[in-house]
Amino acid sequence: QSVLTQPPSASGTPGQRVTISCSGSSSNIGTYTLNWYQQLPGTAPKLLIFNNNQRPSGVPDRFSGSKSGTSASLAISGLQSEDEADYYCAAWDDSLNGRVFGGGTRLTVL
Amino acid sequence: QVQLQESGPGLVKPSQTLSLTCNVSGDSISSSDHYWSWIRQPAGKGLEWIGRIYTTGYTYYNPSLKSRLTMSVDTSKNQFSLKLSSVTAADTAVYYCAREERGSGWYFDYWGRGTLVTVSS
Repeated sequence: QSVLTQPPSASGTPGQRVTISCSGSSSNIGTYTLNWYQQLPGTAPKLLIFNNNQRPSGVPDRFSGSKSGTSASLAISGLQSEDEADYYCAAWDDSLNGRVFGGGTRLTVL
Repeated sequence: QVQLQESGPGLVKPSQTLSLTCNVSGDSISSSDHYWSWIRQPAGKGLEWIGRIYTTGYTYYNPSLKSRLTMSVDTSKNQFSLKLSSVTAADTAVYYCAREERGSGWYFDYWGRGTLVTVSS
């Protein structure tokens, strides 16, 4: 059972907009910044969003993040086949005094 | 360009100690703006944070692993290491090392490719 809760799966067709949620508590998302990672099959995770809504250089602006209270969302617009991957949210947690990840959401492009 | 590379035995016997090293290139492990972290992922499962270490040797450990875990940093070799004792099959996973950037909040900006460690007799 992960400290941060994500839906196990999500799907969409090419061109669609998809959102993935991440729910936490006051000891993590409610206090600290939220980051998102993309893990393509067979590869290491890659930073997708940091500081709730900032994109690293090279990440397309089709990816956007938002945070409100103890929840956050990752939105992917103009869905492409290469977006098919696992997505993880992560934040610091005061109760554990450590970093916590969501359980991950597998995105399927139909 | 920052690169991280994990190394260590791919097979460890139950009850023994798992030892991994992460070699860092393109950045100094003595940087004051970074923590150096370990994350693992069992096959078909999600990411689990193991712990992080600062250049001074200050550490944060996952409470669930703390009693078995030791992390260290070697600034002369620009690398950091992980030792996990009394391993069981549940410790079988791909182990990643990563750099944690201070930036606007802390985040893992560079990752190694990962190394599979199997615990089996």
